[in-house]
Amino acid sequence: NAGVTQTPKFQVLKTGQSMTLQCAQDMNHNSMYWYRQDPGMGLRLIYYSASEGTTDKGEVPNGYNVSRLNKREFSLRLESAAPSQTSVYFCASSEALQGKGEQYFGPGTRLTVT
Amino acid sequence: SQKIEQNSEALNIQEGKTATLTCNYTNYSPAYLQWYRQDPGRGPVFLLLIRENEKEKRKERLKVTFDTTLKQSLFHITASQPADSATYLCALNTGGFKTIFGAGTRLFVKA
Repeated sequence: NAGVTQTPKFQVLKTGQSMTLQCAQDMNHNSMYWYRQDPGMGLRLIYYSASEGTTDKGEVPNGYNVSRLNKREFSLRLESAAPSQTSVYFCASSEALQGKGEQYFGPGTRLTVT
Repeated sequence: SQKIEQNSEALNIQEGKTATLTCNYTNYSPAYLQWYRQDPGRGPVFLLLIRENEKEKRKERLKVTFDTTLKQSLFHITASQPADSATYLCALNTGGFKTIFGAGTRLFVKA
């Protein structure tokens, strides 16, 4: 039981390049989330998926797209990376109904855009 | 505007003492509040959840209080140990899928 896994762990991109961050959970959770964490700031929600087949914008969705591939997997795509997207990205999942409960986080992807 | 505030200054305490961390919020009416622990280079780990109709919640050496009148939660670690050194995040959920996180307070416990 690996919990929430993320790949890659580290990535360096040049401005304008694209990439996809992968996330998978093996806990059979319905809800999945993508956050970014910047120094001195709390985790900020980028997108979430309440259930397989649905996705919704969070607080900071601009510059990102997501895909809920199946119940296990939720990917985050940067189409044209910008230096402002340098951050640590965390994926999370939750079994709680209507999002009302604890979240389980992956180890993070550290992204640098030069 | 809506805001969650946690003490940005690190908290330094001696082993064996009680650590108390504060989470204040404005312009929210949270349905419940959570506390997470985050170690350097790792993702947050859930610790405790307290609902709006609960005053206090305990789990082993951890205790959380929730005062909706003061708009404040206190997080206590009793008999603190060096292994408790980490950043502690407060998080609010006002209903629905969006949880708002504070920036966290760094705790250092000295042996």
